[in-house]
Amino acid sequence: AQSVTQPDIHITVSEGASLELRCNYSYGATPYLFWYVQSPGQGLQLLLKYFSGDTLVQGIKGFEAEFKRSQSSFNLRKPSVHWSDAAEYFCAVGEESNFGNEKLTFGTGTRLTIIP
Amino acid sequence: DTAVSQTPKYLVTQMGNDKSIKCEQNLGHDTMYWYKQDSKKFLKIMFSYNNKELIINETVPNRFSPKSPDKAHLNLHINSLELGDSAVYFCASSTLGLGYTFGSGTRLTVV
Repeated sequence: AQSVTQPDIHITVSEGASLELRCNYSYGATPYLFWYVQSPGQGLQLLLKYFSGDTLVQGIKGFEAEFKRSQSSFNLRKPSVHWSDAAEYFCAVGEESNFGNEKLTFGTGTRLTIIP
Repeated sequence: DTAVSQTPKYLVTQMGNDKSIKCEQNLGHDTMYWYKQDSKKFLKIMFSYNNKELIINETVPNRFSPKSPDKAHLNLHINSLELGDSAVYFCASSTLGLGYTFGSGTRLTVV
């Protein structure tokens, strides 16, 4: 069965500093990988996704993630964080079903706090 | 022009009551989902429908019954509500290759 591990429950970063959020997955085949962001009281917004091809994926809001098959990782990065990036971040792995959709399994999330 | 809309946004009810949450998507996606997010923010899939057909039914109590009248709507009915049902319930829709689009959630509080 697929699974996702986000080893950092909470990360605090200064505004303007760089950010890396870790994500490790377990899946037998080539995975579909996603990063979502959840602001307080809101739903989840898709930041970026990896299906195949270039292992460095660009997303919205200046985020990027790199797929490393050898490390089973899909870490999220941003070169300079803004106060508005404070939120909960979820990594997810998707398993394609026979119905042409993905069943997503989410990690436990990483809460990002930004300090001035 | 909300893509995935859920109603109500908040629901406070007493134990033993029956309640429903409604979800509608205007994205033309074939597949819709219900996820439950607990107090520790953990997201777990409950159900998935593809073109009105139930395709994923995780280990969920029988008190939870989803219904999809058409591929744009997926409702969740909960009977005999218990304290442990308190959570945020998210509806989502998808088409393969695009990821999920989530609704803004329904915060259910059972007292």
